[in-house]
Amino acid sequence: ILNVEQSPQSLHVQEGDSTNFTCSFPSSNFYALHWYRWETAKSPEALFVMTLNGDEKKKGRISATLNTKEGYSYLYIKGSQPEDSATYLCAFIGSNSGYALNFGKGTSLLVTP
Amino acid sequence: EAQVTQNPRYLITVTGKKLTVTCSQNMNHEYMSWYRQDPGLGLRQIYYSMNVEVTDKGDVPEGYKVSRKEKRNFPLILESPSPNQTSLYFCASSTTSGGSWDEQFFGPGTRLTVL
Repeated sequence: ILNVEQSPQSLHVQEGDSTNFTCSFPSSNFYALHWYRWETAKSPEALFVMTLNGDEKKKGRISATLNTKEGYSYLYIKGSQPEDSATYLCAFIGSNSGYALNFGKGTSLLVTP
Repeated sequence: EAQVTQNPRYLITVTGKKLTVTCSQNMNHEYMSWYRQDPGLGLRQIYYSMNVEVTDKGDVPEGYKVSRKEKRNFPLILESPSPNQTSLYFCASSTTSGGSWDEQFFGPGTRLTVL
């Protein structure tokens, strides 16, 4: 089992605030990193697939960066809205782990009006 | 509509009674996987399959079996369920195009309770 850590565990912000979370993963044998958004009572939905060191990806107000050499990825949300409330998961895929996905425990975000 | 379907969505059963949770995808994806989600533990991978007749253990395979006889189907089998297998189960699929594991498409989940 590979160690994939996400912080903070939970976060409560006001509407309009910008926020960011961290996903830490093993810096060796990197293959890919995924970010997912998981709303209560729904299934996880993919946000980003990141494969190259220095990758920066953006979808609307959400963006992510990747540093494979130091083993971390940041997810940013600009101008949080109540509909952004969800759990955000990252998943690490290592090249020496049979391409299994190793998920972190997630960051639970609550955005209040 | 592109989707991953699971059945049943909810199941209450008793210890030792064999059960199968079906998973099917209509996107011609090579990669399929099963996860369980437990409070405080996050999503943990049970088994995955890179293609037909190719399956591998994930982090928590004990007590589960899978098969991949057809590309679209990846059933999860609990031969003798126990209460510690009470959980929320997700099936997912993705392509493996270009050697990169694309985003996982998740099914709606199966809530299993073993008494």
